[in-house]
Amino acid sequence: DAGITQSPRYKITETGRQVTLMCHQTWSHSYMFWYRQDLGHGLRLIYYSAAADITDKGEVPDGYVVSRSKTENFPLTLESATRSQTSVYFCASSELQGARTDTQYFGPGTRLTVL
Amino acid sequence: RKEVEQDPGPFNVPEGATVAFNCTYSNSASQSFFWYRQDCRKEPKLLMSVYSSGNEDGRFTAQLNRASQYISLLIRDSKLSDSATYLCVVNVRAGANNLFFGTGTRLTVIP
Repeated sequence: DAGITQSPRYKITETGRQVTLMCHQTWSHSYMFWYRQDLGHGLRLIYYSAAADITDKGEVPDGYVVSRSKTENFPLTLESATRSQTSVYFCASSELQGARTDTQYFGPGTRLTVL
Repeated sequence: RKEVEQDPGPFNVPEGATVAFNCTYSNSASQSFFWYRQDCRKEPKLLMSVYSSGNEDGRFTAQLNRASQYISLLIRDSKLSDSATYLCVVNVRAGANNLFFGTGTRLTVIP
């Protein structure tokens, strides 16, 4: 049972480059999320998706792009990486039951450094 | 003002001690409340949901005080394996996209 996986686990890139972080889940959860975690800020939502082809902005979406062509995949792209995007990125998934939030399951994270 | 605020700690306690963490939230309309645990350099994992009546899971007890807008986590008989960062999480509105995470309270249990 693979659950939710992220790749790469570690990435070093340079300012201005495009970077794509991958997220894959095997549970067929409807909802998927991208968070970033920085010291002093906790986890902050970047984008989320309620289903394939449905995405919406979270708290800190600027500089990021997402897509969801398949239920199981939710890639996050940094179009032109900046140093302020150095962070740990977590992907998560959940299944909403009615109006009640279900547990979010997190991937292992991607540590991104932008030089 | 942050949606969720926690004392960052660190809390350093001896094995067997009882330790309590508090967390306050700003939106009185918040719907659901959770405690997540995060080990160093790992992903957060759900520890327990927090219900209005309070709930217990082994050595862990969670309480919710809606009037004062805070939730608490009590850990009894601390174990070395309890060392982690504990994240307070609040769902501000119905729907899975409205979770707000506290910055976490770091606990170290000392032998």
